[in-house]
Amino acid sequence: DQQVKQNSPSLSVQEGRISILNCDYTNSMFDYFLWYKKYPAEGPTFLISISSIKDKNEDGRFTVFLNKSAKHLSLHIVPSQPGDSAVYFCAASANAGKSTFGDGTTLTVKP
Amino acid sequence: DTEVTQTPKHLVMGMTNKKSLKCEQHMGHRAMYWYKQKAKKPPELMFVYSYEKLSINESVPSRFSPECPNSSLLNLHLHALQPEDSALYLCASSQGAKPPWFFGPGTRLTVL
Repeated sequence: DQQVKQNSPSLSVQEGRISILNCDYTNSMFDYFLWYKKYPAEGPTFLISISSIKDKNEDGRFTVFLNKSAKHLSLHIVPSQPGDSAVYFCAASANAGKSTFGDGTTLTVKP
Repeated sequence: DTEVTQTPKHLVMGMTNKKSLKCEQHMGHRAMYWYKQKAKKPPELMFVYSYEKLSINESVPSRFSPECPNSSLLNLHLHALQPEDSALYLCASSQGAKPPWFFGPGTRLTVL
């Protein structure tokens, strides 16, 4: 049973436009959600997170939205830049230390 | 210093070899983690150390043996691995045992 799902394996957007990456979860005990970006041959880089007591968190070009009733979160990147092209992982945590990652979405930003 | 470092970067070993992966962080974090990532798959948690004590073992086979000599260092000892153990092994750390987790660049392991 996959508790964190990223249903879109890939996404392609034009430079300057908005990128929206989606993530769904099934475990209502998750209380902290994160987005990571990963380039090939590198470890994941932490981007932004949100606690379950909030519905939005913003950091520069990155905004994460959480809809608890729908068990859905999304990452908005605006404006998108070619350097944003990478694999994006959604992750969730319920118990201290335990993490569950989605399968990832490959974002391609075209110049 | 906001980095997690891992050595070696690449490792090739036979099924009878014994080798170790090393991880170091100087961020003052008190929790450290080992993850395994196969190609086109998400990272999978293997072990969690919190305050130098093993707190989570995700039913990992005993051919993988973690060690935390101190709060900055984490090792993963490998013995009698199988070819299917070939993967990217990622180390991470966090303040306390809560996210966010900060990852190292990983060790690419190939078992022949």
